[in-house]
Amino acid sequence: EDQVTQSPEALRLQEGESSSLNCSYTVSGLRGLFWYRQDPGKGPEFLFTLYSAGEEKEKERLKATLTKKESFLHITAPKPEDSATYLCAVQAQGGGADGLTFGKGTHLIIQP
Amino acid sequence: GAGVSQSPSNKVTEKGKDVELRCDPISGHTALYWYRQRLGQGLEFLIYFQGNSAPDKSGLPSDRFSAERTGESVSTLTIQRTQQEDSAVYLCASSPRSGGPYEQYFGPGTRLTVT
Repeated sequence: EDQVTQSPEALRLQEGESSSLNCSYTVSGLRGLFWYRQDPGKGPEFLFTLYSAGEEKEKERLKATLTKKESFLHITAPKPEDSATYLCAVQAQGGGADGLTFGKGTHLIIQP
Repeated sequence: GAGVSQSPSNKVTEKGKDVELRCDPISGHTALYWYRQRLGQGLEFLIYFQGNSAPDKSGLPSDRFSAERTGESVSTLTIQRTQQEDSAVYLCASSPRSGGPYEQYFGPGTRLTVT
């Protein structure tokens, strides 16, 4: 069974204080790992797709990295508008099922 | 362009009633997904449609849940004889195609409350 575990559950940072969010996963074969951002009362907003170990992607203050067992979302010099819940999800190889398996998310608060 | 839309945004129903939730995917997206997000839990995959292929129903929690899709457009998720544990946000997503990994674009969700 595919599993995704995110840590920490919640994180409070000062504006400008860099940190990393962790996503550990177990999957029979990884087709892709996805990061989403979710604001209260809204649907998840797509951030990144990572396909293979060693891959990195960046967008503004965010950088996502991938190993064979985990992914990190690094946040550099965050601003209050980066406050949100960050979700990690995996898509498995084979079987024809495209449904994503999600973690419970990391609730990030950036204080001014 | 327009994103994924869902209606209603909120639905309150009495235990035992049937409900229908609607999803309009992004135009041209052939793949459509339904997920459920219960309080404090991760998103749970429910069902997936790809073109005219038989849907993947592997995530549906019980036979009270069903979904339909008309071609490559609108989808409805129906929950019969609702129970309190069905209270959740139901999210729809669409993707340009299946067999990815292709990113899935989510709608705003329908918040269902069963009293």
